[in-house]
Amino acid sequence: QSALTQPPSASGSPGQSVTISCTGTSSDVGGYNYVSWYQQHPGKAPKLMIYDVTKRPSGVPDRFSGSKSGNTASLTVSGLQAEDEADYYCTSYAGSNNWVFGGGTKLTVL
Amino acid sequence: QLQLQESGPGLVKPSETLSLTCTVSGGSISSSGYYWGWIRQSPGKGLEWIASLSYSGSTYHNPSLKSRVTISVDTSKNQFSLKLRSVTATDTAVYYCARRDCGTCSVDSWGQGTLVTVSS
Repeated sequence: QSALTQPPSASGSPGQSVTISCTGTSSDVGGYNYVSWYQQHPGKAPKLMIYDVTKRPSGVPDRFSGSKSGNTASLTVSGLQAEDEADYYCTSYAGSNNWVFGGGTKLTVL
Repeated sequence: QLQLQESGPGLVKPSETLSLTCTVSGGSISSSGYYWGWIRQSPGKGLEWIASLSYSGSTYHNPSLKSRVTISVDTSKNQFSLKLRSVTATDTAVYYCARRDCGTCSVDSWGQGTLVTVSS
């Protein structure tokens, strides 16, 4: 199984919107609605931001949203804030109880 | 509140076995509906799923690591463990233990992570 493909970096100014993509195959992203997104600040454990492609856990601001089209999932952060600066990882179920992560995207708030 | 805490040596010699334990508090490891597992992050790199076990005791492994990995559970201590055999420098990473919710198929709880360095 191969890692999902994410852009290494993304950026935006405060208040703007940024979208991060996560491209897989029909065997993972395209085949299941089990895509999750995690936010990771330096030196910290990842934090769940989106699950089941579009759902937000309690406590996650509605500025964070998820979507999927075909083999590509996306995370959109609207109304960028300084504290959104972090690394973001996608992950998808890949069948047979296997899981695959994306390589991560460093989001910079300019 | 659920808490997970990794423990084990921070330094392992090449060719030896890396052994880590995750102690779960604030919830039972035997609760149905959850998988317990290990995820690692090499320095400056992304996340990699290693292995998981279900509340019923079934185990699942990343195919790329399967031949070297054992994951096990001790329900009496509310702990689960990881053994990674024949380590090399490429196994140097922060190792996280984590809980995956079967219903959402997402990792909803993470340990703080422990750095394991493979070096002689």
